[in-house]
Amino acid sequence: EVTLVESGGGLVKPGESLRLSCAASGFDFKTYSMNWVRQAPGEGLEWVSSIGSSGKYIYYADSVKGRFTISRDNAKNLLYLQMSSVRVEDTALYYCARDFEGSINSQVGAIDIWGQGTMITVSS
Amino acid sequence: QTALTQPASVSGSPGQSITISCVGTSSDIGSYNAVSWYKQNPDQAPRLIIYDVYSRPSGVSNRFSGSKSGNTASLTISGLQAEDEADYYCCSHRSGGTVVFGGGTKVTVL
Repeated sequence: EVTLVESGGGLVKPGESLRLSCAASGFDFKTYSMNWVRQAPGEGLEWVSSIGSSGKYIYYADSVKGRFTISRDNAKNLLYLQMSSVRVEDTALYYCARDFEGSINSQVGAIDIWGQGTMITVSS
Repeated sequence: QTALTQPASVSGSPGQSITISCVGTSSDIGSYNAVSWYKQNPDQAPRLIIYDVYSRPSGVSNRFSGSKSGNTASLTISGLQAEDEADYYCCSHRSGGTVVFGGGTKVTVL
């Protein structure tokens, strides 16, 4: 079974840092591009970042650029999101999500597998 | 990063067809055939229902269809059923390698 399991969420204060992890299983992780997508309570989806299969191609939403860093460890089947200088507006459920390999292109927003999400609450 | 524009809500009776629009710009929808659509039920993760503008993943009903004209993409649900009631999001690749979602549309089956 293909699964993505996020961890690392919790309550943090503005300006603090934390790292999210996503453990992948059931598929050949190293051949897939991966994404982080977040959803604030009661709000819509917001793409955060994507990383290519080798880690070479990395992209960020303007709202997190310079503060968040995406990375991966293909030997351990792990995806990470290092979050720094967090803000109240970063409060959201953070999903780890796998690119859909059936799409003509990768890292274009076609996502077929989603984790259950990990909640980040930023509050003083 | 401005989101794609979707209507907040769309409704229809069982058996009818409805269309959800998704308005972007020449930097996203207008320039790339990389539009996806997602269905999200309450308290669940999104599910991919359309990719590459028109294509359906295996297992998705052919009642869902996608299209694009200029800077606007559309999702049509034919033969509306009670189970189609959910939130729907469009998504597009944007120049610079980024991805942008629409604000979401709540579909109500009357």
